[in-house]
Amino acid sequence: SQQGEEDPQALSIQEGENATMNCSYKTSINNLQWYRQNSGRGLVHLILIRSNEREKHSGRLRVTLDTSKKSSSLLITASRAADTASYFCATRSGGSYIPTFGRGTSLIVHP
Amino acid sequence: GAGVSQSPSNKVTEKGKDVELRCDPISGHTALYWYRQSLGQGLEFLIYFQGNSAPDKSGLPSDRFSAERTGGSVSTLTIQRTQQEDSAVYLCASSLDDGGYGYTFGSGTRLTVV
Repeated sequence: SQQGEEDPQALSIQEGENATMNCSYKTSINNLQWYRQNSGRGLVHLILIRSNEREKHSGRLRVTLDTSKKSSSLLITASRAADTASYFCATRSGGSYIPTFGRGTSLIVHP
Repeated sequence: GAGVSQSPSNKVTEKGKDVELRCDPISGHTALYWYRQSLGQGLEFLIYFQGNSAPDKSGLPSDRFSAERTGGSVSTLTIQRTQQEDSAVYLCASSLDDGGYGYTFGSGTRLTVV
């Protein structure tokens, strides 16, 4: 079964709006990472948040982590058409070296 | 190299044939992972290599799948007697140590079995 699950499965917004997607996971983690995938090819690392961190920023990206709820959110502010992609969260549970990925959120930003 | 390189980028093969997919990780990255992604789905873990340790093969779906990593660098994923359900994008990733700083993915090999 998937360790991390993204929600919603699909998100459609207008350029300039903010996009928020969530990730829920089941077991305790060392860190949580967000990735972006264009056109079903390689994933690009966006941001990593460690289990002892609550919030992290990178440019227009803001990630939060709530370990009590076993959830994370990725906020993309002032979205652009170029942000259109699938977004995945990856988690590593305490005893494993293997990152597991959810099914992703498909984001479409309309110009 | 500057990034993770996978070849070929696309492969069409006939059912029953064997295929080899190659991954050249970032120099110095000790960990290497193979994943499979079917259309519109998430990433399915296949196999993990870390340095000279025995690989974690727990994700390989059948004994038709095997992988090796020579000299702690290049890895080859082999699928024998391919089936149509093997059609997917095969992604390789590498990382420093245990991935505490993130994973770098290749562009994948799109395998189509006809």
